[in-house]
Amino acid sequence: GENVEQHPSTLSVQEGDSAVIKCTYSDSASNYFPWYKQELGKRPQLIIDIRSNVGEKKDQRIAVTLNKTAKHFSLHITETQPEDSAVYFCAASTSGSRLTFGEGTQLTVNP
Amino acid sequence: GAVVSQHPSRVICKSGTSVKIECRSLDFQATTMFWYRQFPKKSLMLMATSNEGSKATYEQGVEKDKFLINHASLTLSTLTVTSAHPEDSSFYICSAIKAGTSYEQYFGPGTRLTVT
Repeated sequence: GENVEQHPSTLSVQEGDSAVIKCTYSDSASNYFPWYKQELGKRPQLIIDIRSNVGEKKDQRIAVTLNKTAKHFSLHITETQPEDSAVYFCAASTSGSRLTFGEGTQLTVNP
Repeated sequence: GAVVSQHPSRVICKSGTSVKIECRSLDFQATTMFWYRQFPKKSLMLMATSNEGSKATYEQGVEKDKFLINHASLTLSTLTVTSAHPEDSSFYICSAIKAGTSYEQYFGPGTRLTVT
């Protein structure tokens, strides 16, 4: 089955700096890669996703890159703000099937 | 929008009793729903995949007789934790995929189960 690894497990940045979180996956059949932000006790919130036919996608301060050959994808957050502090999860799936999550990254943005 | 609700949001039960958690898609039909369990400071672990009108598919290591899943309609799936024990205490989250689509999963708000 699919295996997703996520690094780092914790990340602390100064407000205004950029944050990068990286994930690798094992199943070459995976074609959908979402990123979620989860605050304590809340549901995961989709912040951006990318499909395997695209190499990069951007939405304001958030971008995701995908390297299918190397089987890794990354989340980039620019101009970080304290409200970006949360746990971020990457995930991988083939369309319509189970999501396999990474272990999560606790992001702290220090004012 | 695509809204998924769960009920109850929190439940405390005694060891040995059973608890039912409902997951509803409020404004769309969901042919497939998923049930996840999340322990504190851990990731979401898939328990089972639920397809409307058929038996759920359980992940390895998840006891199907302990975690009963029913997906009787296109808008409702239920998870029943039978003979609950303290180690079943966790955050249970469901998600749903809109009928006719194949990618994005919409998550419910979760149910915090505490077994005393």
